Amino acid sequence: DAGVIQSPRHEVTEMGQEVTLRCKPISGHDYLFWYRQTMMRGLELLIYFNNNVPIDDSGMPEDRFSAKMPNASFSTLKIQPSEPRDSAVYFCASSRAASSYNEQFFGPGTRLTVL
Amino acid sequence: KQEVTQIPAALSVPEGENLVLNCSFTDSAIYNLQWFRQDPGKGLTSLLLIQSSQREQTSGRLNASLDKSSGRSTLYIAASQPGDSATYLCAVVGSGNTGKLIFGQGTTLQVKP
Repeated sequence: DAGVIQSPRHEVTEMGQEVTLRCKPISGHDYLFWYRQTMMRGLELLIYFNNNVPIDDSGMPEDRFSAKMPNASFSTLKIQPSEPRDSAVYFCASSRAASSYNEQFFGPGTRLTVL
Repeated sequence: KQEVTQIPAALSVPEGENLVLNCSFTDSAIYNLQWFRQDPGKGLTSLLLIQSSQREQTSGRLNASLDKSSGRSTLYIAASQPGDSATYLCAVVGSGNTGKLIFGQGTTLQVKP
């Protein structure tokens, strides 16, 4: 299995631009999670999906952030418009509900820099 | 609200030492606890997962224990090696098994040759 795949690995953009991060979960996994990691706040859950349905988006910081999961093999996290304080590493993770107690597997992350 | 704390924030040891990393959580009603490793600029690698009904898990030189009643977990690394240098994170899932991981801030370990 290829593991969780994220793209791009690095993104540099200017303030005000739209940013789209992509994630392909491990095949067969029911849950997909988006996390953000910063030095100040550590790792925080933004939103998660179960069977493509958003379950909890209470961690999404503002309306500028949105996430979709149109099918079981693809999810996007969009920031529009982006701001310098959105600079962080964004991780996607997936897990299988019926597996060993929801062990989560993480992708390599997307390092976002907003100038 | 569940909070996870890891002490110390950083640790430096000579190669070959056995060491213990600590993790504490404020709400003992957890579903499971995971220990992760993160190398600089990389993603997270799952090391061990302990269910709420278990007291410990072992993988190679790693042993993780869980004491729910006191809200504590430890990660024991035996015979440390320079390749063990990384940041170690613990995270808990609440008893409702929502899948939401609440992370500690991590312990950055340096093992000197």
